[in-house]
Amino acid sequence: GAGVSQSPSNKVTEKGKDVELRCDPISGHTALYWYRQRLGQGLEFLIYFQGNSAPDKSGLPSDRFSAERTGESVSTLTIQRTQQEDSAVYLCASSERPQPVTRANTEAFFGQGTRLTVV
Amino acid sequence: AQTVTQSQPEMSVQEAETVTLSCTYDTSENNYYLFWYKQPPSRQMILVIRQEAYKQQNATENRFSVNFQKAAKSFSLKISDSQLGDTAMYFCAWAGGTSYGKLTFGQGTILTVHP
Repeated sequence: GAGVSQSPSNKVTEKGKDVELRCDPISGHTALYWYRQRLGQGLEFLIYFQGNSAPDKSGLPSDRFSAERTGESVSTLTIQRTQQEDSAVYLCASSERPQPVTRANTEAFFGQGTRLTVV
Repeated sequence: AQTVTQSQPEMSVQEAETVTLSCTYDTSENNYYLFWYKQPPSRQMILVIRQEAYKQQNATENRFSVNFQKAAKSFSLKISDSQLGDTAMYFCAWAGGTSYGKLTFGQGTILTVHP
């Protein structure tokens, strides 16, 4: 596709339910990132996939959060037993393989995010 | 750990005038990138400009330019000839070291351009 696609655009769920958010990266992009943006705040890094390497999960806030990616394609972010503090916009981005700083680095292209509301 | 600080929660400017958004960062890395992203109400994050830390020359992109002061760890964005379409949230971001692909963002500055 032309850009990073995320679905659904909006999701309202009841507290305690599980949710799955989907991200389709730009074709050929080996790197994929998930970020969380709480209302009026900056983006918080959640998880980073690079090709077949082990993902960098250092930003996941609790064990209720997990993410998967099959090869270099679609990724899903799963939040189990949702809490009200999970309400936020979840943004996905993809890029070509990041290069060492001596080469031209690659731009991260963002999707439009999924707005999650936990009621 | 890297931190990025934007000390101006909100800024406003008249159309056609110039505005500067501030950003400071803290890192122990020597090689890194700095970015300014724009987020309009559509939520779409758009890269405005990028600066490689090993380059001394300040990056420019049309009406957008940066003032990169590596020793002071400062990275401000200047928007010249402001347009109504520049109204958005602007985020400063850092990436580098061993995690080039992972961005650390500031809290953002809401910029409003008035007609």
